[in-house]
Amino acid sequence: EVQLVESGGGLVQPGRSLRLSCVTSGFTFEDYSMHWVRQAPGKGLEWVSRINWNSDTIVYADSVKGRFTLSRDNAKKSIYLQMNSLRAEDTALYFCTKDAPNTGTGAFDVWGQGTMVTVSS
Amino acid sequence: EIVLTQSPGTLSLSPGERATLSCRASQNFGTYYVAWYQQKPGQAPRLLIYGASSRANGIPDRFSGSGSGTDFTLTISRVEPEDFAVYYCQKYGNSPTFGQGTKLQMK
Repeated sequence: EVQLVESGGGLVQPGRSLRLSCVTSGFTFEDYSMHWVRQAPGKGLEWVSRINWNSDTIVYADSVKGRFTLSRDNAKKSIYLQMNSLRAEDTALYFCTKDAPNTGTGAFDVWGQGTMVTVSS
Repeated sequence: EIVLTQSPGTLSLSPGERATLSCRASQNFGTYYVAWYQQKPGQAPRLLIYGASSRANGIPDRFSGSGSGTDFTLTISRVEPEDFAVYYCQKYGNSPTFGQGTKLQMK
């Protein structure tokens, strides 16, 4: 069974940092690009970032560029999102997700359950 | 930046009725890179359709996708009780973008 399990969310003050993790199992991790997608409370979905299989290509949404850093460890089948200079508008449920096979990139066939990040003083 | 606008915002139907959900793009980005997701309260989204019209694994054939250019449609031929949820269209590829969602609710 394919599984994505996020962790690391919590309550943090504006301007501080947080690191999210996503541990995967059940598929050949190094064959896929991985992504983070977030959802503010009661709102829609917003793509955050993508990392390709060997970390050669990492792309960010404009809203997080320069503040968030995405990385991966293929040996641990995991990805990590370092979030710095957090703002209230970063408050959201953060989902880890993977590319669907044979679709190029950006169509997501498996999602984790999400980890909640709340930025508030 | 490509903007996806979904309509209607809310669709009220009874089980057994046909649902037609629309998604309009602010510019043409290529027909292939359109996906649809279903999200129920407290759950992660589920991929329904990719490539504008291909069903993802395990998706019932009452769900179908169509469209090209800037106008795309998700159709549920006969709504089942478990289909009441929020539906998002997506332009995927290098910078994925989602529509704002259509809530399908029971009349």
